[in-house]
Amino acid sequence: EIVTTQSPATLSVSPGERATLSCRASQSVSSNLAWYQQKPGQPPRLLIYGASTRATGIPARFSGSGSGTEFTLTISSLQSEDFAVYYCQQYDNWPPYTFGQGTKVEIK
Amino acid sequence: EVQLVESGGGLVQPGGSLRLSCAASGFTFNTYSMNWVRQAPGKGLEWLSYIASDGSITYYADSVKGRLTISRDNAKNSMYLQMNSLRAEDTAVYYCARYRGSGSYGDYWGQGTLVIVSS
Repeated sequence: EIVTTQSPATLSVSPGERATLSCRASQSVSSNLAWYQQKPGQPPRLLIYGASTRATGIPARFSGSGSGTEFTLTISSLQSEDFAVYYCQQYDNWPPYTFGQGTKVEIK
Repeated sequence: EVQLVESGGGLVQPGGSLRLSCAASGFTFNTYSMNWVRQAPGKGLEWLSYIASDGSITYYADSVKGRLTISRDNAKNSMYLQMNSLRAEDTAVYYCARYRGSGSYGDYWGQGTLVIVSS
């Protein structure tokens, strides 16, 4: 089973600043990695798939990069609506699909 | 508009059973694989089960294998999760999610249904 590890657990950022979130896989997943955003009381929302492709309707301030075992989600200029928990999910070697434990982006 | 609506959650005693449903609309249901994912209170996401578009292939997480059964009725645009021998640690919000094929990601998710296992 591939283990996906996210860091940091919590990221404190001021509105307008850049946020960089990391996801590491225990073995190569090629580019088969997705990122989701989840706000309290809501389901996950797909942001990025294929490591770097934005899903439909996702603003350009969200970008994904990486391949193999190291991945990054960057939010270029944080808006108030971006404060949430972010999860990565690998889909290269499955079952099972595995999610990272999440990174909470909070207001500094 | 794609919609996924879960139902069937509630309070159940340890050892009991529950059947969750996921009603789909707004897309051609029988062309998409579907998955169940859960989230325990204050915790992260845990994939539980996959079913192919025609129902011919199913997979389960080791943590639930033998206790959960996934199924679908394409004529009713619905997916189900039969949950048996429930434990306290099964307490969670259960989401159904449309995945873009096998080996993929969830592009649409329902709002979830809460299952509480407690005496």
